[in-house]
Amino acid sequence: SQTIHQWPATLVQPVGSPLSLECTVEGTSNPNLYWYRQAAGRGLQLLFYSVGIGQISSEVPQNLSASRPQDRQFILSSKKLLLSDSGFYLCAWSMPAPGGYTEAFFGQGTRLTVV
Amino acid sequence: GDSVTQMEGPVTLSEEAFLTINCTYTATGYPSLFWYVQYPGEGLQLLLKATKADDKGSNKGFEATYRKETTSFHLEKGSVQVSDSAVYFCALSIIQGAQKLVFGQGTRLTINP
Repeated sequence: SQTIHQWPATLVQPVGSPLSLECTVEGTSNPNLYWYRQAAGRGLQLLFYSVGIGQISSEVPQNLSASRPQDRQFILSSKKLLLSDSGFYLCAWSMPAPGGYTEAFFGQGTRLTVV
Repeated sequence: GDSVTQMEGPVTLSEEAFLTINCTYTATGYPSLFWYVQYPGEGLQLLLKATKADDKGSNKGFEATYRKETTSFHLEKGSVQVSDSAVYFCALSIIQGAQKLVFGQGTRLTINP
């Protein structure tokens, strides 16, 4: 069966420090991978998605970047965190389904607080 | 663009009450529709889905029907329990380079015993 691992679960970082959040998927190949952010009291905003190794699409301009160095590994990074980067970050995966739609499966999330 | 609008929360009900959480969408084409649930401190779990008009998704006593004519996908449950307390997200699936989920803002539901 497929599983998704996301870590760390919580993180407190000072303004201006770097960030690296990691997500790995097991039990599947060539998944689509996603990073979402959930700000306090708000919905989920898609930040990045990837359809393959080294292929990253950004949905919104921001202080963050993403990389996919391996098929089932997705990393969210920042060189210098801002207060506004605080939130709950969720990694997700789905299977490509040309002409159809499949659900996405989410990790447990990382709560990031920038202080 | 494609979007999802959900009923404003928070919603507070007593145990065994009837629940409706409204969801409407705007989309080009015919998206699939989903309800996800988020329990405190956790990621999202798929609750139910519907892939075409008039389909009814159901799970754990929750139901939602894909209504193309009203572009709606309202979530209902006949008798809620304290354990249903969570945040509920309505979402649609689109294909734009890759499959993407577009979420509503979420509705926080609290059930009191």
